[in-house]
Amino acid sequence: ILNVEQSPQSLHVQEGDSTNFTCSFPSSNFYALHWYRWETAKSPEALFVMTLNGDEKKKGRISATLNTKEGYSYLYIKGSQPEDSATYLCAFRPNTGNQFYFGTGTSLTVIP
Amino acid sequence: ETGVTQSPTHLIKTRGQQVTLRCSSQSGHNTVSWYQQALGQGPQFIFQYYREEENGRGNFPPRFSGLQFPNYSSELNVNALELDDSALYLCASSLGGPNQETQYFGPGTRLLVL
Repeated sequence: ILNVEQSPQSLHVQEGDSTNFTCSFPSSNFYALHWYRWETAKSPEALFVMTLNGDEKKKGRISATLNTKEGYSYLYIKGSQPEDSATYLCAFRPNTGNQFYFGTGTSLTVIP
Repeated sequence: ETGVTQSPTHLIKTRGQQVTLRCSSQSGHNTVSWYQQALGQGPQFIFQYYREEENGRGNFPPRFSGLQFPNYSSELNVNALELDDSALYLCASSLGGPNQETQYFGPGTRLLVL
C-alpha cells in the first residue's frame, strides 16, 4: 500500500490571506498527481492533473507545483475567499497499474 | 451534459445483508472507478471497470463485486455486510480507458451498517 500524506490536516485562515498545503507521495514510479476540491455535500471536483516534474498549473487564484524527484506537490490559494472553504484532496497514480492513492485531505475554512 | 449520479444517497443495512449501489457515468465516459471513504480516511480504490470488464482492483475482499453495463453505468455489490463497511462510497467516471486522466466524481452513497 502506497503512502500519500497531506498536511496540514486542517487550516483556518482569514478572508484575504494566502495559504498553501502539501501533498507527499512516493518519489519512485511516478505517473500522475491529481488535486481535487471537495465542498461539503457536493462531489469532489478535479482541479489539476500534473504529470511532469516542475509542472506549475493555475486556475484563477489557485495554483499547484510538482516535484516528482522529491515526492511532493504544493497547492497555493492566493487571497482566500469564503467560497474556497472545502477539503482539498490529492491523489497519486504510480506508473504500474491504474489505481489512484488518495491522501486524507486538508480541510480549509476561510473566515469572513 | 449530465454529470455523474449515484443512487441511493443514503442507505441503512444490517450486518450480513447485501447491498447494491448504482452509478451513472458522465455522458461518453467508458471507465468507472469505485472508492470507499471511511470516516477520517481518504478514498480507497475498490475497483475499476472499463468497457464492461474489471480493469484493476484494490485491496478489497471478493464480497465486493461490480458490474458495468453497455451504457457504461455501473453497480457495486457488497455481500455479507460488516460493520466496517459503513462508509461513503464514491464512483468516478473518466474517458480514455486504462490511461485515464481527469476523474469526475458523483456525490456518493452513504452506507450505514448496523
